[in-house]
Amino acid sequence: DTAVSQTPKYLVTQMGNDKSIKCEQNLGHDTMYWYKQDSKKFLKIMFSYNNKELIINETVPNRFSPKSPDKAHLNLHINSLELGDSAVYFCASSQVPTSGGVGTDTQYFGPGTRLTVL
Amino acid sequence: SQQGEEDPQALSIQEGENATMNCSYKTSINNLQWYRQNSGRGLVHLILIRSNEREKHSGRLRVTLDTSKKSSSLLITASRAADTASYFCATDERSGAGSYQLTFGKGTKLSVIP
Repeated sequence: DTAVSQTPKYLVTQMGNDKSIKCEQNLGHDTMYWYKQDSKKFLKIMFSYNNKELIINETVPNRFSPKSPDKAHLNLHINSLELGDSAVYFCASSQVPTSGGVGTDTQYFGPGTRLTVL
Repeated sequence: SQQGEEDPQALSIQEGENATMNCSYKTSINNLQWYRQNSGRGLVHLILIRSNEREKHSGRLRVTLDTSKKSSSLLITASRAADTASYFCATDERSGAGSYQLTFGKGTKLSVIP
């Protein structure tokens, strides 16, 4: 069974459109993340989210917004797509350890969504 | 800002040889992790070493951490063609209640020639 899944795997769209990428994890983790990997393979955190807190990387344009309908899902919505948004987007999840609790710092990644903006 | 920096950017070796990749970082960390990414796939966690550890082994992998030099190395022994992938180090930053944010380096692209 796939632990972290993303849809679609490929997304080709025109500049100016609005699109969403879906992410689901079946690991029971309480924290999910979105990363952007550019053409030079540089991986950068965009968001981290759990039921307590949304952490936004300050360099992420507000055209990007994460939406979490429930603990197992964190979707990425992008408005007014630009050419520079072309990249591979990865979702990840982890069970962040709390004081006296269980969990690891390990993150589990989805297979990625390759977004191409024309 | 980028935390981890891998070195070399690309490495090509013959099957059976050992591969060593290095990572340097800038700030204090709680732990450092290594991930592998096969072409067109997501990242897979390999090994985590905590700031109070100096060396850790997992199968053919050996990771060292020198907090005084802010550097880590990943050694893959007896490499196989299947080890061909990009390898990333990642350092953690506790960013808030219950969230860790990993900062990744640019990766080392390893090619193992059969």
